[in-house]
Formats: sequence, structure tokens, C-alpha cells
Amino acid sequence: NAGVMQNPRHLVRRRGQEARLRCSPMKGHSHVYWYRQLPEEGLKFMVYLQKENIIDESGMPKERFSAEFPKEGPSILRIQQVVRGDSAAYFCASSPSGANSPLHFGNGTRLTVT
Amino acid sequence: GENVEQHPSTLSVQEGDSAVIKCTYSDSASNYFPWYKQELGKRPQLIIDIRSNVGEKKDQRIAVTLNKTAKHFSLHITETQPEDSAVYFCAARPQGGSEKLVFGKGTKLTVNP
Repeated sequence: NAGVMQNPRHLVRRRGQEARLRCSPMKGHSHVYWYRQLPEEGLKFMVYLQKENIIDESGMPKERFSAEFPKEGPSILRIQQVVRGDSAAYFCASSPSGANSPLHFGNGTRLTVT
Repeated sequence: GENVEQHPSTLSVQEGDSAVIKCTYSDSASNYFPWYKQELGKRPQLIIDIRSNVGEKKDQRIAVTLNKTAKHFSLHITETQPEDSAVYFCAARPQGGSEKLVFGKGTKLTVNP
């Protein structure tokens, strides 16, 4: 089992550009979560998705951020018109089912906005 | 919504000593409490978890205790080793709702040889 795969590992964008972060969950996992981690801080929940459905986006900024988990292909976290404050590590996690099953994290994408 | 507080934020121990990290949660409906270890520049990795119908769980040098009445849970590491040095995060999952995990802010553990 390859684990949760995220790419790219590092992403550099200039202010105003778009950032696309990809996450392929572990085989057999249908639940995907995105978290953001600022340096020396904890993991902040952003969004929870199942295939073709956003279940909870309460942690995601209302503007510029969007997420999807299509029927085929990876989950995508999209940040439009990036600003310096978007610089962070973005972690994706997956689980086989929501209820009381552990989250398995990917290696993250480190976004730097210059 | 759920709020998780974690203490201390930093902890330094001598090799061989024990380390204890404590967390409190606010939502009495939370029923799942995992602990993650994150080494510098790496992904968080699950090290142990406990469910609300259990008061204590142990796995070799690591143990977790849960007090539902007081709404707090703790991580205990015995016979610490330098490779235990990392940031440890506790989390809670509220029952119902979206099944997301709410994390504490982390404890940076340093084990001095």
C-alpha cells in the first residue's frame, strides 16, 4: 500500500498566481481531509470530502480556496490569487470510513508564496 | 465546536526519564482521541489512539489515559530515548458531525542524551 500520496512536495508561487495541490488517498480509502500547518503551529482543519461530495468545509476560507474529490482522480485543493499568508504546509489525510477510523497523513505540500 | 488544549508546549527530559503530555477537550460528545508524532519536516504519524469506552491503553513504552468526566486525556512515554524527540499532537473527534479531527497545538519534546 503506497500510503497517501501528495504532490508536489514543494511549490513556489508568486503573489496572485494559482496553486493546485493534489492528494491521492490510500487504496480503499474514500474519505479525504485537508489540513494546514503554519510553522511551529498545529494542524488546522480545512475541508473534509468524500467522492464527489464536500462534507464539511467549515475550516476553509470563503474566498480564493476550493476543494474537490472527483469520482476519478486525486483530490485537489486549489488556492487562487495566492498571498504571502498562504505560505504553509498543506497536509492531506485519508481514512477508510469516517467513524472512529484513524487518519493517515501524506507527506504534505510546502507552499511558499514570494 | 470542539476545542482542544494541549500542555506543555515544550518539554525537555533526560534520556530514560518519563514524559507526560496532557490535553483537555470541550465537547463531551467526542469519542475518539488519537496521538500523532511529527518529526521535523515530516508527516504526522499515528502512534496510539483511544476510544471513549476505554480508560487506558498501552503499547510498549507508550500509554494513553482518558478521563471522560474531566474531559482530559494524557500521553505517557516511559524510558524515553533521543529518537522520541519530536512534536506530539493530541486530537479529538466529536461524535456525529463531519468526523474531522480537532488538534491541539502540539508539544515539542526534546530527549537529551
